[in-house]
Amino acid sequence: DQQVKQNSPSLSVQEGRISILNCDYTNSMFDYFLWYKKYPAEGPTFLISISSIKDKNEDGRFTVFLNKSAKHLSLHIVPSQPGDSAVYFCAASGGGGADGLTFGKGTHLIIQP
Amino acid sequence: NAGVTQTPKFQVLKTGQSMTLQCAQDMNHNSMYWYRQDPGMGLRLIYYSASEGTTDKGEVPNGYNVSRLNKREFSLRLESAAPSQTSVYFCASSEMRDGELFFGEGSRLTVL
Repeated sequence: DQQVKQNSPSLSVQEGRISILNCDYTNSMFDYFLWYKKYPAEGPTFLISISSIKDKNEDGRFTVFLNKSAKHLSLHIVPSQPGDSAVYFCAASGGGGADGLTFGKGTHLIIQP
Repeated sequence: NAGVTQTPKFQVLKTGQSMTLQCAQDMNHNSMYWYRQDPGMGLRLIYYSASEGTTDKGEVPNGYNVSRLNKREFSLRLESAAPSQTSVYFCASSEMRDGELFFGEGSRLTVL
């Protein structure tokens, strides 16, 4: 039973355009959401987060939007750069189960020159 | 500032062999975690430790044991390795429960 879902295994975007990565969740107890970025042969690194009391959080080129009624969040990257090519994981916490974060399966973002 | 350090980075085992993955963090974090990453499966929690002296099972604990040796160190042991345990293992730490995780670089384990 997957509580955090990233339905697009991969996404290809042209350099300079907007990248939109989507994430859905099923556990209404989640109250904190995070995005992690992962390069090959490295550990995931934190990118941006949002609390359930907000609907938007912005950090430079990265913006995360949260729609609680739809149990959906998205990560926008504008403009997309070649260094953004990586696997992006959506994660959530506060679901009432084990400590730590529950991760989605990831989306491989490829920025085309 | 090393953050989270895992050893070894690579290991090849034969079925039935045992080994321990070591993890240490220098951020004075209370909580530590072990995740595994498999193709198409994302990151799945194996075990975690909310504080020194406590450990709890995560989503996929079978075949593993852990030890929270002190506040800095959290080890993961495979007593009798199986091919299904071929994976990349990540150790992580956080200042508080359910907070942002800081990950190590990963340990790639192959069980033949």
